[in-house]
Amino acid sequence: EAGVVQSPRYKIIEKKQPVAFWCNPISGHNTLYWYLQNLGQGPELLIRYENEEAVDDSQLPKDRFSAERLKGVDSTLKIQPAELGDSAVYLCASSLAASRGDTQYFGPGTRLTVL
Amino acid sequence: KQEVTQIPAALSVPEGENLVLNCSFTDSAIYNLQWFRQDPGKGLTSLLLIQSSQREQTSGRLNASLDKSSGRSTLYIAASQPGDSATYLCAVMQGAQKLVFGQGTRLTINP
Repeated sequence: EAGVVQSPRYKIIEKKQPVAFWCNPISGHNTLYWYLQNLGQGPELLIRYENEEAVDDSQLPKDRFSAERLKGVDSTLKIQPAELGDSAVYLCASSLAASRGDTQYFGPGTRLTVL
Repeated sequence: KQEVTQIPAALSVPEGENLVLNCSFTDSAIYNLQWFRQDPGKGLTSLLLIQSSQREQTSGRLNASLDKSSGRSTLYIAASQPGDSATYLCAVMQGAQKLVFGQGTRLTINP
């Protein structure tokens, strides 16, 4: 069974430029998560989708961050414009159903460096 | 607000030793607690999941315990191996919806 796929794995951009990350969850997983992980810290939830609906985006900085999950499968997370402090690893995870507290399966992440 | 703390931040031990990683959380109203492993440049792999009604879970050389009333969990690794070197993260699930992570313990097993 294929795991969670993320691309790109690494991205280097200059500040004020836009950037987008893509995630393909495990087939059949209805719930998709985007996390932000700073160096030496644990991941922090940015947004959670149940199928196509964003049900928890309280930690997403909406002035510059946006996300979408078209057709309830793949998801894209965008930053525009990027700031120096956005340098981090962006992790995508999926689970069968959040309501049951199912195990979340994580992708390898995208490491973003903003210069 | 739930806060999860892991001690120590880093640990280095010789191969073959048994070791314990600690995790504490401030709000005992959790749905479950999970231990994850993270290798450099890679995502997280779930190791053990303990439901709030359980006291412990075992998988091979790993044993995780949960004392919800005191807000503590431990991960016990028996007969450590160099391949166990990684960062270990503890996370609690609030309301079956949100995982709150600790900052992790970076473990090094020396051959």
